[in-house]
Amino acid sequence: QSALTQPASVSGSPGQSITISCTGTGTDVGSYNLVSWYQQHPGKAPKFLIYEVSKRPSGVSNRFSGSKSGNTASLTISGLQAEDEADYYCCSYAGTDVYVFGTGTEVTVL
Amino acid sequence: QVQLVQSGAEVKKPGASVKVSCKASGYTFTNYDINWVRQAAGQGLEWMGGMNPPSGKTAYAQKFQGRVAITRNTSTSTAYMEVTSLRSEDTAVYYCGRVGATGLDYWGQGTLVTVSS
Repeated sequence: QSALTQPASVSGSPGQSITISCTGTGTDVGSYNLVSWYQQHPGKAPKFLIYEVSKRPSGVSNRFSGSKSGNTASLTISGLQAEDEADYYCCSYAGTDVYVFGTGTEVTVL
Repeated sequence: QVQLVQSGAEVKKPGASVKVSCKASGYTFTNYDINWVRQAAGQGLEWMGGMNPPSGKTAYAQKFQGRVAITRNTSTSTAYMEVTSLRSEDTAVYYCGRVGATGLDYWGQGTLVTVSS
């Protein structure tokens, strides 16, 4: 159960789009369409952004979208805004009621 | 409204145990699983384990097998997570989260556990 691999940091200018990757293996990301994404601002609890690879919970901006190809899931933030500056984490089901988080990505808005 | 309220900060000595509570309100406790996640200072989120409240069935990350126990009291809608044989590396903020729509849709406020001699 190793952590999923995410880039340590991603940056973009306001209005741009950025994509954060989340690479796992054939026993987690590659086997299940049960990838979720979370946003965390400093000192705060994480916020639920995406579930089942690409579905958005009620109230989450449609600027956030998710996808998956093989063992890699991705989160795209379009129309980047200053408030999007935060840490982002992916999470995947890994079988037998076990989950695994990604290593986390710090997003900077330039 | 859905709320998960956790117990307060703890300071423990190495080798001791700690038990963190997570009281749920605003929904039917037995309708959703509860997971526990921790985060050391400046580090990422780490999934520790989860529980199905109606059955009490639990699952743990391999790393925590045998050292972490998740329990619940359905009459008070409260979940608990106990970590034994604490070491300095267990110093972290511990979160409980409700599993809704296959993700953690509501989170507790976090409980800081400090392990120090």
